[in-house]
Amino acid sequence: AQTVTQSQPEMSVQEAETVTLSCTYDTSESDYYLFWYKQPPSRQMILVIRQEAYKQQNATENRFSVNFQKAAKSFSLKISDSQLGDAAMYFCAYRRSSSGNTPLVFGKGTRLSVIA
Amino acid sequence: GAVVSQHPSRVICKSGTSVKIECRSLDFQATTMFWYRQFPKQSLMLMATSNEGSKATYEQGVEKDKFLINHASLTLSTLTVTSAHPEDSSFYICSARVPVSGANVLTFGAGSRLTVL
Repeated sequence: AQTVTQSQPEMSVQEAETVTLSCTYDTSESDYYLFWYKQPPSRQMILVIRQEAYKQQNATENRFSVNFQKAAKSFSLKISDSQLGDAAMYFCAYRRSSSGNTPLVFGKGTRLSVIA
Repeated sequence: GAVVSQHPSRVICKSGTSVKIECRSLDFQATTMFWYRQFPKQSLMLMATSNEGSKATYEQGVEKDKFLINHASLTLSTLTVTSAHPEDSSFYICSARVPVSGANVLTFGAGSRLTVL
């Protein structure tokens, strides 16, 4: 079974600074997707960024970027120019690629605090 | 963008009663929906996969007779918590795959907070 590990239960960052959240995963599959979701206090799950495993180039979305190391099974999230609105719970997630529908497997999450 | 509407957002019920939670895909068809459960300060745990027109697939340890899932149409899946007990109190979230080519993204409902007294 696939597993996702987030080793940082809590992180904090000064406003305007950069922070990196760690994520590792375990799978025997070669084709899969990786995601970072944000869950603010409203508890609505919001997609931050996604990465296809077959792509070597790291995904970027504005202030958010990932460092995808397929051989090491590592998928970290970098948030640049942190803003107060970035404070939330962040979940790393894995999804097996298939012709059908497969669910997301989540890590335990990292709670990010942004200090003004 | 694709929206998944989930209702109710909050529900309080008495022990022994049943509660139904609805999950609708508003502008797309979802042949499959996923139901997750989230305890306070914990991660999302997959409960079951809901398939339109067929029986749901439950994860190990999830009681299928307690958590009834029905996916009667391409836009609606329901989760019914039967004979609810206080230990069923939790946050329940549904999600569905957005059928946009290459997206492979799951979008989530806003969740339903169930409190069983």
